[in-house]
Amino acid sequence: NAGVTQTPKFQVLKTGQSMTLQCAQDMNHNSMYWYRQDPGMGLRLIYYSASEGTTDKGEVPNGYNVSRLNKREFSLRLESAAPSQTSVYFCASSDGASGGYTFGSGTRLTVV
Amino acid sequence: AQSVAQPEDQVNVAEGNPLTVKCTYSVSGNPYLFWYVQYPNRGLQFLLKYITGDNLVKGSYGFEAEFNKSQTSFHLKKPSALVSDSALYFCAVRDPRGGGFKTIFGAGTRLFVKA
Repeated sequence: NAGVTQTPKFQVLKTGQSMTLQCAQDMNHNSMYWYRQDPGMGLRLIYYSASEGTTDKGEVPNGYNVSRLNKREFSLRLESAAPSQTSVYFCASSDGASGGYTFGSGTRLTVV
Repeated sequence: AQSVAQPEDQVNVAEGNPLTVKCTYSVSGNPYLFWYVQYPNRGLQFLLKYITGDNLVKGSYGFEAEFNKSQTSFHLKKPSALVSDSALYFCAVRDPRGGGFKTIFGAGTRLFVKA
């Protein structure tokens, strides 16, 4: 099925460990995004990539890095995980500023 | 700064009755407005959007939303609720200036439709 694919779906990390969340879309969208969802806070933008080769900080970028590997793939890396990064992470893509987002199914991350 | 408010944490409606989920925003200029729905353990799904034109926009699953510029509101509506509409609903706003790549989401409103 066409859409946005995220891996893994679940992950438990110990404080200080690192990991990379993977995201790929097959809709030929130019723009891709990483959000985190926390109860009562909606979704907050971590980083985004307006087009292949560019990345920019969002609302809550501290503790994260991203890579736009090619037009399809946009990964999110936690270099040294902290309990405050326990959250559900969503990747999304869109085709232009007026387009709605297509979201992946999310990664539930717990940092202990 | 942009902001989106969903004043109700939860909305309860009986099946067959009309439903409204409220959203107000604070963005200068002419923002793009969106509604998304999230079912349990799933990602968000796009429902509808307002970019320009007719203030009443129609979307998926029989939902519609009314844009009111003077009240800076974009309320989600459906004439007859279904139990399957029970989910978490998010309003979102995007300032198209500067490319429009930063979408701000509200905190979400949980809709319960009782049979």
